[in-house]
Amino acid sequence: DTEVTQTPKHLVMGMTNKKSLKCEQHMGHRAMYWYKQKAKKPPELMFVYSYEKLSINESVPSRFSPECPNSSLLNLHLHALQPEDSALYLCASSQEPSGQETQYFGPGTRLLVL
Amino acid sequence: GENVEQHPSTLSVQEGDSAVIKCTYSDSASNYFPWYKQELGKRPQLIIDIRSNVGEKKDQRIAVTLNKTAKHFSLHITETQPEDSAVYFCAAHDRGSTLGRLYFGRGTQLTVWP
Repeated sequence: DTEVTQTPKHLVMGMTNKKSLKCEQHMGHRAMYWYKQKAKKPPELMFVYSYEKLSINESVPSRFSPECPNSSLLNLHLHALQPEDSALYLCASSQEPSGQETQYFGPGTRLLVL
Repeated sequence: GENVEQHPSTLSVQEGDSAVIKCTYSDSASNYFPWYKQELGKRPQLIIDIRSNVGEKKDQRIAVTLNKTAKHFSLHITETQPEDSAVYFCAAHDRGSTLGRLYFGRGTQLTVWP
């Protein structure tokens, strides 16, 4: 089973709301990723979680915070977002965090910030 | 960090013709090059990848070539079909970069006309 699942599929939130995106994989993968994708652009890496270590793209604002409750779950907590944060948020996983392993993407959460 | 350039940004072909998309990368330490296909509203899906110890790889109608000296790699699709219409992203992994980080090209919108 090469599937990564994400919930919710769509999310509309106001700038003062707090919400969370969820991602799950049951492939025994050791690395999980959050990407942000704007329309007609490539995915941009936000966070990498591997072996309980978090790597951050330093350009990601602090209103995004990842959480990894266990090796198969990855959450993205959202707080005080801006309209420009509206995008498709993709989760991905790979067997190892080496970068040479296939990254499998989830279907994404389409986020609209009003 | 790595810089990946992708050309063309749009490509239109007649069904049955071949399509070629080219990418260049800047860091000679990069050693893994995946290609992703993303249909409208869907997740990116890996279609083929190549590692730096190989010059060419083929999977049915899809092939990828890698020229390490010139630092470029190309996607070749033969006998194109309307269902090949999608955005294609190339990517490169830089061994010296953040854990698992892929650097994506800007994408090519391929349209196959019946």
